[in-house]
Amino acid sequence: QQPVQSPQAVILREGEDAVINCSSSKALYSVHWYRQKHGEAPVFLMILLKGGEQMRHEKISASFNEKKQQSSLYLTASQLSYSGTYFCGTESGASYDKVIFGPGTSLSVIP
Amino acid sequence: SAVISQKPSRDICQRGTSLTIQCQVDSQVTMMFWYRQQPGQSLTLIATANQGSEATYESGFVIDKFPISRPNLTFSTLTVSNMSPEDSSIYLCSVVDRSRLYFGNIQYFGAGTRLSVL
Repeated sequence: QQPVQSPQAVILREGEDAVINCSSSKALYSVHWYRQKHGEAPVFLMILLKGGEQMRHEKISASFNEKKQQSSLYLTASQLSYSGTYFCGTESGASYDKVIFGPGTSLSVIP
Repeated sequence: SAVISQKPSRDICQRGTSLTIQCQVDSQVTMMFWYRQQPGQSLTLIATANQGSEATYESGFVIDKFPISRPNLTFSTLTVSNMSPEDSSIYLCSVVDRSRLYFGNIQYFGAGTRLSVL
């Protein structure tokens, strides 16, 4: 079942912060975060595992609340290069099966 | 990280014809996936291609329409058969690689094939 993402879209000024949320109705083993720029392939940002720690990639960090089956992506002091569509992907089993991607959150950073 | 080459990058095809998309990986991988992405939409999994066994198709996708080959651990093809304008989309190949850094399985994507059916 496809995870839910919010917000659908967000516009930021350079330097502002944003949070993107991802939730699932199923118990999760891991949550993946990807960013896709227009006309390009999705690029891996980070993965959060059940029982794991909060992850960080440059000024982007993410958390995973296993009990609530939710993950949040935090973008701090946003840069123009952060613009794109962010997808969360969820994995339900420890033995790799497949990742189901959410509908995406469009993020636009303006000067 | 795995490097994926996907061909063709784009094509314009006539209704009723078929197109085969190739995916080549620079290392041996166990699992390969084929996704479809409509403009402005999410990534929809078509099937999982496993070497040595038949592909596993997701609900709504059938082998007759999307036959998949996986002759070895570095290569796969997806064919879009008997195309109609509704098949116009971006088709992406993806592989899974175990990450020592993140202690998890990471998916890497090819650049995609942009297909337009007239």
